Order: sequence, then C-alpha cells, then structure tokens
Amino acid sequence: SQTIHQWPATLVQPVGSPLSLECTVEGTSNPNLYWYRQAAGRGLQLLFYSVGIGQISSEVPQNLSASRPQDRQFILSSKKLLLSDSGFYLCAWRERPGGYTFGSGTRLTVV
Amino acid sequence: DQQVKQNSPSLSVQEGRISILNCDYTNSMFDYFLWYKKYPAEGPTFLISISSIKDKNEDGRFTVFLNKSAKHLSLHIVPSQPGDSAVYFCAASPYTGNQFYFGTGTSLTVIP
Repeated sequence: SQTIHQWPATLVQPVGSPLSLECTVEGTSNPNLYWYRQAAGRGLQLLFYSVGIGQISSEVPQNLSASRPQDRQFILSSKKLLLSDSGFYLCAWRERPGGYTFGSGTRLTVV
Repeated sequence: DQQVKQNSPSLSVQEGRISILNCDYTNSMFDYFLWYKKYPAEGPTFLISISSIKDKNEDGRFTVFLNKSAKHLSLHIVPSQPGDSAVYFCAASPYTGNQFYFGTGTSLTVIP
C-alpha cells in the first residue's frame, strides 16, 4: 500500500535560520509530489510540485525552495526563515484519476 | 486571487441534523472537485469527489452536489455526528493542469 511520511511534526526555528523539511513516499513509483502550506486563517496554498526527479515547479514566489533528489523524496528548504513562513506545511502525492494523499504535516513556528 | 471560495468560515449543527457546506468557484475551466476534512494538527483526509460530467455523487452520509451553471458545489452530511466536527475544504482542478485550488475552509461543529 502507498504511504507518505513527513517529518518533523513540529518545529520552532528562529528568524534567519535555515529550514529543511523532508517527505518520502512508499509503495508507488514516479509519483507527482506537492508541498502545500496552510497559514493561519487561510486555505491550503500550493507552494511547489514535482513530476519527476529534479523537476520542480514553483507556484508562489518566496524565500522557500524545493528539491527532489530521488523519485520518492521531496524536500522543502529555506536558507533564512522569515516570521511569515510560520504555518502548517503539508506534503502530498497524487494518483490519477483522483485527489491527493497528504502527509501528517509539519507545524512550523518561526520566532 | 481566490478562485475557490468558502464564504462561511464556521457552521454549527445539532447532532442528527443535516450539515450543508458551500463552495463557489470562478474558473469555468475547473472540471474536477474534491472535499477534504481536516482535524487540528493533522493533514487533510479525502472525503468525496465529483467530476463535471455529474451533478451529484454520494458516499454513505456524504453527498456532493455540483451546479456548473452557478459555479457552485455543496457538501451535505446526513445525519451529522459529533465526530464530523472538523474543518472542511473544497478544492477544484482544471481539465488541464496539475494542481488543485483550495478554498479557505469551513469549520463545522456538530453539537451533541
């Protein structure tokens, strides 16, 4: 069966520090992978998606970046966090036809 | 620009009654729609979907209705249960394109 792992579950980081969130999927090959963010009081916002190794599409200009070093691994990074980066980050993969399967999420608080 | 809108941020319903959650969209290219449920500090879980070739889809207590001319969809939960208390998101995807656009969510509280 397909599963998706995302870690860490919670993270408190100071402003200006780097960030690395990791997501891995199991039980599928060549998945479409996504990073979403839910900021307080807002809906889920698509940040990045990837259709294959090394292929990253960015939806929203910001100080975050994403990488896909392996087929089933998707990483969200930042060199210097801002206060506005606080939120709930979700990794997801999508099967066609149909919707997404989401990871359990990472609650990031930038202080 | 919010292409998918959920204008009611919250909704309270008595246990056993019907819950109706609404969603409006602006992009006529959207042709596939989803509803998700989210508990605090957890990822969203898929509830039910509908494609634009249908106007209704049922799954147990959950029914989604789609009105393409009005660009409106709704989720009906009958009967509502306390465990249904969560935030519900609708999402839409265009025929061409790889991503879904999400609404801002409606927080449903089912009162025992």
